Amino acid sequence: RKEVEQDPGPFNVPEGATVAFNCTYSNSASQSFFWYRQDCRKEPKLLMSVYSSGNEDGRFTAQLNRASQYISLLIRDSKLSDSATYLCVVTVYSSASKIIFGSGTRLSIRP
Amino acid sequence: NAGVTQTPKFRILKIGQSMTLQCTQDMNHNYMYWYRQDPGMGLKLIYYSVGAGITDKGEVPNGYNVSRSTTEDFPLRLELAAPSQTSVYFCASSTTGVGNQPQHFGDGTRLSIL
Repeated sequence: RKEVEQDPGPFNVPEGATVAFNCTYSNSASQSFFWYRQDCRKEPKLLMSVYSSGNEDGRFTAQLNRASQYISLLIRDSKLSDSATYLCVVTVYSSASKIIFGSGTRLSIRP
Repeated sequence: NAGVTQTPKFRILKIGQSMTLQCTQDMNHNYMYWYRQDPGMGLKLIYYSVGAGITDKGEVPNGYNVSRSTTEDFPLRLELAAPSQTSVYFCASSTTGVGNQPQHFGDGTRLSIL
C-alpha cells in the first residue's frame, strides 16, 4: 500500500461546480499536511497547509481527519483557472524525516 | 525575483555519461531539496540539506550525489546515467525545518537518458 494515496482522476466538472477530493495516508506518525497545485509541465506550488481544526482560504477548504487518516480539499465555485493537478503532501517526523508526495489528482474545469 | 534557479532546463544523456544538475537560490534558505518526478507520479525526495556542509539521503538516493558548500548552491550529480533516471528533477528550498512549508520550487530539469 502506498504511504499517500490519491484518486488520480481526472475530475471533469463544469465551471461553478463544487468539487472535493481526498488523500489518505498510512503512517499514523504523519504530522504535517499540505495541498500543492501543479500545472502541466510546471513546478508544484503550495496551495494551503492543512490544520487539525480545518482551514479555509477563499474558495478552498482543507480538512484533516486523523482518526480515519485522510485529508480533503474542497473547491467551491470552481473557475477555469482551477484546472491543474492537486498534490497531497505528508511529512512524517521521526529519526529520519520523510516528505511524501501523493501522485496527484487531475482536475479539469469545463466552461 | 529569481527564487530557485535550475539549469539546464532540458538535457539528453547517453547511458553511462555523467552530469551535474545545478540549483541555486537567492532567498538565504537553509533547507534545500532535490526531487524527481516520473510521469503521472508524485515527487520523490532524492537528497536534502539542512545547511551548508550538511546533506542527507531521501527516499531514492541511489545513483545520485550532492554537495552543499554554500547556502545558495545545491548541485545534484549523476555519475553513471541509466535509463531509469529519465525524469523531471525539481530543486526546492524552504526557510525552516525539513518538510515545513512552503517549499519554493525551481522550474525543473527534464532529463532523458538514451
